[in-house]
Amino acid sequence: EDQVTQSPEALRLQEGESSSLNCSYTVSGLRGLFWYRQDPGKGPEFLFTLYSAGEEKEKERLKATLTKKESFLHITAPKPEDSATYLCAVQAHTGGFKTIFGAGTRLFVKA
Amino acid sequence: EAGVTQSPTHLIKTRGQQATLRCSPISGHTSVYWYQQALGLGLQFLLWYDEGEERNRGNFPPRFSGRQFPNYSSELNVNALELEDSALYLCASPREGGDYGYTFGSGTRLTVV
Repeated sequence: EDQVTQSPEALRLQEGESSSLNCSYTVSGLRGLFWYRQDPGKGPEFLFTLYSAGEEKEKERLKATLTKKESFLHITAPKPEDSATYLCAVQAHTGGFKTIFGAGTRLFVKA
Repeated sequence: EAGVTQSPTHLIKTRGQQATLRCSPISGHTSVYWYQQALGLGLQFLLWYDEGEERNRGNFPPRFSGRQFPNYSSELNVNALELEDSALYLCASPREGGDYGYTFGSGTRLTVV
């Protein structure tokens, strides 16, 4: 069964304090691993798709990496506006475009 | 790209009633995905519609159902509402550009009292 586990559940950082969020996954035939950002009461916002082990993607202060079992979302010198829930998700080659999501990591960045 | 629209934004129902939630996908897109996000939990896959047909459903009871119309908009119906059905219900379209991601709507917050 396809599964996604994210850690930690919550992370509190000071502004400028870099850190990483972890996503462990099992999937039969990875089509893509995704990172989304979700603000309270809103729908998730797409950040990245990673397709194969060794791949990296960057966007502003965020950098996502992928291995065969895990993905990391590195946040460099975060700002208060980076505070949100970050969701990791996987999609298999079978099952259409059905995507399985992790429970998310709630990030709080204090000024 | 034009977005996914959902209505209503908020819905309050009494236990045992029925709720109807609506979604319009990105213009020209034929697929609609429904997810439930209960407080403190991750997104749980509910239903996938494509070209007017139900293609896949998640591990939810039959009182969760829906349909897709010829214009590809979709309805999610929840019958015999229970308190634990209170959640944010999200609708999504596959993104353009071939990256396999979703564009989500803003969701419908369903509260069952």
